[in-house]
Amino acid sequence: GQQLNQSPQSMFIQEGEDVSMNCTSSSIFNTWLWYKQEPGEGPVLLIALYKAGELTSNGRLTAQFGITRKDSFLNISASIPSDVGIYFCAGQQKGETSGSRLTFGEGTQLTVNP
Amino acid sequence: DGGITQSPKYLFRKEGQNVTLSCEQNLNHDAMYWYRQDPGQGLRLIYYSQIVNDFQKGDIAEGYSVSREKKESFPLTVTSAQKNPTAFYLCASTPWRSGNTIYFGEGSWLTVV
Repeated sequence: GQQLNQSPQSMFIQEGEDVSMNCTSSSIFNTWLWYKQEPGEGPVLLIALYKAGELTSNGRLTAQFGITRKDSFLNISASIPSDVGIYFCAGQQKGETSGSRLTFGEGTQLTVNP
Repeated sequence: DGGITQSPKYLFRKEGQNVTLSCEQNLNHDAMYWYRQDPGQGLRLIYYSQIVNDFQKGDIAEGYSVSREKKESFPLTVTSAQKNPTAFYLCASTPWRSGNTIYFGEGSWLTVV
């Protein structure tokens, strides 16, 4: 099936640094979602993007829906220790209308050193 | 508070047993989903239901069964036919049948002993 390429797989950064991660696909997507998952918990929705070029912020987090509709990135500014977790992207291909057709990236493991 | 409740959080299963994971939502969402997550991997869809009394197989349905008798409930049974059931199971829902913004429960760990 369709895959999302999420990178990097892992990041080790110092507190206060900015972070950037992205997801790419060979297909056109009409929705991009970004989630954070902490150990042993379910993913929590951070940002949802529905329109090409859309740039949306949620506190220190900013995500963009790529103009080509084949990619999305998530930035975290001024990282803090509680940002630790796995960040997932999820996308829905153009033409699909159901949550059952979401595709998930494999996640970026973020470690923040105090 | 509104949300998706999964239980139990931790479950141990003996070889050959069937076990059922509970998922309840009070969000009045139409569609519900079950995903499986293995360490270091993305989410894989097991089953989904867009309306009461109807459900569809996902990408890895073999060895699993579900029911949707009530809008708020979507239990998952892991049968003895599932050869490698040890995993983290996530229940999720979307507000309407065609909704694409998906919300997750807190997950259930299943371990075969």
